[in-house]
Amino acid sequence: DTGVSQDPRHKITKRGQNVTFRCDPISEHNRLYWYRQTLGQGPEFLTYFQNEAQLEKSRLLSDRFSAERPKGSFSTLEIQRTEQGDSAMYLCASSPGTLNEQYFGPGTRLTVT
Amino acid sequence: RKEVEQDPGPFNVPEGATVAFNCTYSNSASQSFFWYRQDCRKEPKLLMSVYSSGNEDGRFTAQLNRASQYISLLIRDSKLSDSATYLCVVNLGWDDMRFGAGTRLTVKP
Repeated sequence: DTGVSQDPRHKITKRGQNVTFRCDPISEHNRLYWYRQTLGQGPEFLTYFQNEAQLEKSRLLSDRFSAERPKGSFSTLEIQRTEQGDSAMYLCASSPGTLNEQYFGPGTRLTVT
Repeated sequence: RKEVEQDPGPFNVPEGATVAFNCTYSNSASQSFFWYRQDCRKEPKLLMSVYSSGNEDGRFTAQLNRASQYISLLIRDSKLSDSATYLCVVNLGWDDMRFGAGTRLTVKP
């Protein structure tokens, strides 16, 4: 399967714990995006990378959130000191270029208890 | 005003019906437009890009009206498998993609 993959698919954690998610984009895509989606809403932009450079961060991304994309390949999204409000689906997408369509991974569903 | 607005529905239609969704956007500088389909608890999947001249893909037709800042999606001869949430997506430029909250469609036998 050459699509976008994400790991884990589901994560249950207790409030205050740290979690890390991984995204592997489509191999020839240099742009990688992270979104958060809650029930009944569309995906909300969090951050994106062009190759290894993080070019944009949403105001939604508090200092508890950090993302990396070493070597411009896979990316990780870490949430420190999780809160119940962090419970959501975290989606990763990749794109071959600006203004192009984005292709989404299956998402990581986070539940903070 | 939200940047991308859609009627949340739900739209409940019988098989074979024609159904249309509209989406309005607030930023006149928006540069590219898409419709995505999202099944329950799944990721969004690209349905079609929307071009200024309008475009058609089988039973699906997308239109863009820049003057009025809206996008439409028309589904003809609805199938049960068309049941999903349809997301309108607007690219403001520089990879700034904004999603609508989605319109839920249920096609009934």
